Amino acid sequence: GENVEQHPSTLSVQEGDSAVIKCTYSDSASNYFPWYKQELGKGPQLIIDIRSNVGEKKDQRIAVTLNKTAKHFSLHITETQPEDSAVYFCAARLNTGNQFYFGTGTSLTVIP
Amino acid sequence: DTGVSQDPRHKITKRGQNVTFRCDPISEHNRLYWYRQTLGQGPEFLTYFQNEAQLEKSRLLSDRFSAERPKGSFSTLEIQRTEQGDSAMYLCASSLWRWRSSYNEQFFGPGTRLTVL
Repeated sequence: GENVEQHPSTLSVQEGDSAVIKCTYSDSASNYFPWYKQELGKGPQLIIDIRSNVGEKKDQRIAVTLNKTAKHFSLHITETQPEDSAVYFCAARLNTGNQFYFGTGTSLTVIP
Repeated sequence: DTGVSQDPRHKITKRGQNVTFRCDPISEHNRLYWYRQTLGQGPEFLTYFQNEAQLEKSRLLSDRFSAERPKGSFSTLEIQRTEQGDSAMYLCASSLWRWRSSYNEQFFGPGTRLTVL
């Protein structure tokens, strides 16, 4: 199966600064990479995703980049705000399967 | 609210008891997934349904676990003879799958937190 590694496990930034979270995956057959935000006591919420035929995708303050050769993808949050504080998970899905393989999560704290 | 709902939100049980959780997906979604999430970890896939058919089960799904989706709408996850190691958040997600479409965004419910004493 797929193995997804995520770094860092915790990240603290000052409000207004940028935050970057990185993930690597092991199986080159993975073709879909979503990012989820999970707040305390809630289920994961999709914030952005990227498919293997695209190298970068942006949605307002959030962007994701994908390097298929190196098998890594990253989440970039610019102009961070306190409400961005949460746990962020990356995931990967094989082109032959339906289940998502999740990273271990990054706890982001934005300091006002 | 037309999102994925789960019931109950919290369940405390004694070791050896049986528990059942319910998930109601987004109404037009034909796929439904169950995940387990332990503290400090990402969700781990357990099983998924397309309509009423259970198409894939993880090795994590031991014989004590059973899931159903009898009418292709809501689903139940039952754990028999619970063990302390079953304590976790059980998440349900749903998606709309179309033939020849790579679109498979999964929407998650709030989860059921199980504590086995």
